[in-house]
Amino acid sequence: AQKVTQAQTEISVVEKEDVTLDCVYETRDTTYYLFWYKQPPSGELVFLIRRNSFDEQNEISGRYSWNFQKSTSSFNFTITASQVVDSAVYFCALSEAPDGATNKLIFGTGTLLAVQP
Amino acid sequence: EPEVTQTPSHQVTQMGQEVILRCVPISNHLYFYWYRQILGQKVEFLVSFYNNEISEKSEIFDDQFSVERPDGSNFTLKIRSTKLEDSAMYFCASNRRPGREGLETQYFGPGTRLLVL
Repeated sequence: AQKVTQAQTEISVVEKEDVTLDCVYETRDTTYYLFWYKQPPSGELVFLIRRNSFDEQNEISGRYSWNFQKSTSSFNFTITASQVVDSAVYFCALSEAPDGATNKLIFGTGTLLAVQP
Repeated sequence: EPEVTQTPSHQVTQMGQEVILRCVPISNHLYFYWYRQILGQKVEFLVSFYNNEISEKSEIFDDQFSVERPDGSNFTLKIRSTKLEDSAMYFCASNRRPGREGLETQYFGPGTRLLVL
């Protein structure tokens, strides 16, 4: 069965600190996709990144970086030099890719990140 | 940049009333989804829709729920007789194609916050 675990419910950091949000997933499929979405206080879901199961290359985008490790079924997200505007709930999500079917997203419970000035 | 839109942004209704939540997916997308998020909880998949029919639905999506694509642009979620526990944020999402052919990211609308009294 598919499952996404975000063990950190809340994290509080001071501005300019680095912070890592953990995500562990379970799936039986060999082809799957992992995502991170940001939900700011305004409530919308903002897509941040998508990763394919066959591409373990880590990615960096500005202050954001993602570490995908299939060996530990983890897809962690690091924000470097955090800013107050990074304060949000961050969701990790998993999608399997059954042939011919739509790909529902299975979300983790989210991590609330509070960045203090 | 094209985006998914949803109306209304907020809706308050009495228990037992019918509500229709509306979504306009991104214009060249073919796969449509509804998710819901009860306050403070994770985002949960409700239903996916392709080629004018439901392709997958969750246990939450019972007989009280229905979806429709009444024209070439709108995608609606109807709750026939609302219950208190239907109070949640409802998100619409769309993508061009899922699955092993080459996953396309799901883009989410801003959500409709439904409050059932």
